[in-house]
Amino acid sequence: QKEVEQNSGPLSVPEGAIASLNCTYSDRVSQSFFWYRQYSGKSPELIMSIYSNGDKEDGRFTAQLNKASQYVSLLIRDSQPSDSATYLCAVSTAGSARQLTFGSGTQLTVLP
Amino acid sequence: DGGITQSPKYLFRKEGQNVTLSCEQNLNHDAMYWYRQDPGQGLRLIYYSQIVNDFQKGDIAEGYSVSREKKESFPLTVTSAQKNPTAFYLCASSRASGLGNEQFFGPGTRLTVL
Repeated sequence: QKEVEQNSGPLSVPEGAIASLNCTYSDRVSQSFFWYRQYSGKSPELIMSIYSNGDKEDGRFTAQLNKASQYVSLLIRDSQPSDSATYLCAVSTAGSARQLTFGSGTQLTVLP
Repeated sequence: DGGITQSPKYLFRKEGQNVTLSCEQNLNHDAMYWYRQDPGQGLRLIYYSQIVNDFQKGDIAEGYSVSREKKESFPLTVTSAQKNPTAFYLCASSRASGLGNEQFFGPGTRLTVL
């Protein structure tokens, strides 16, 4: 059974701080990793994808991947109240017919 | 303007009724997916299709059926056999090839059983 684990939170950070969201996965052969943002009552929106070890930066977002530790994280710099949402981690394994396995999400609140 | 549309946005079903949720995409994606999301939980895969006229069961297919007669369309029927259908239903699509599997979601349909 492939599993993707996230701390459900809620995680609260003050405006302007760095928010750190973490995700671990059980399937060692996982190859593709994604972060989705989901506002309350809305559908998930893809914000980051990462495929190789190391860091990937896009604006205020940085995804970090460590395949040896089976760990992927998302850092949000200069957090804004508009970043308040649930963040879903998703993992895809080669040969899995392109299926994604989702974590249950971490709820982030950025306090003004 | 490319994207994924789902209809209706809200749907109410009586006990014993079948209902069909619509999903259309104009992204020219080969693969399409249906997920279910319950409050406070992640997404669970119901069915997926990688090409026209072919589809496979996901983790929670019981009580659901799908068809894929056109590349652009992947409707989901929630049958009366689904005992707890109240949930948020999300349709997604992706390219069928390439390194990643970036899936893009429609706005969702919220189904409530009365």
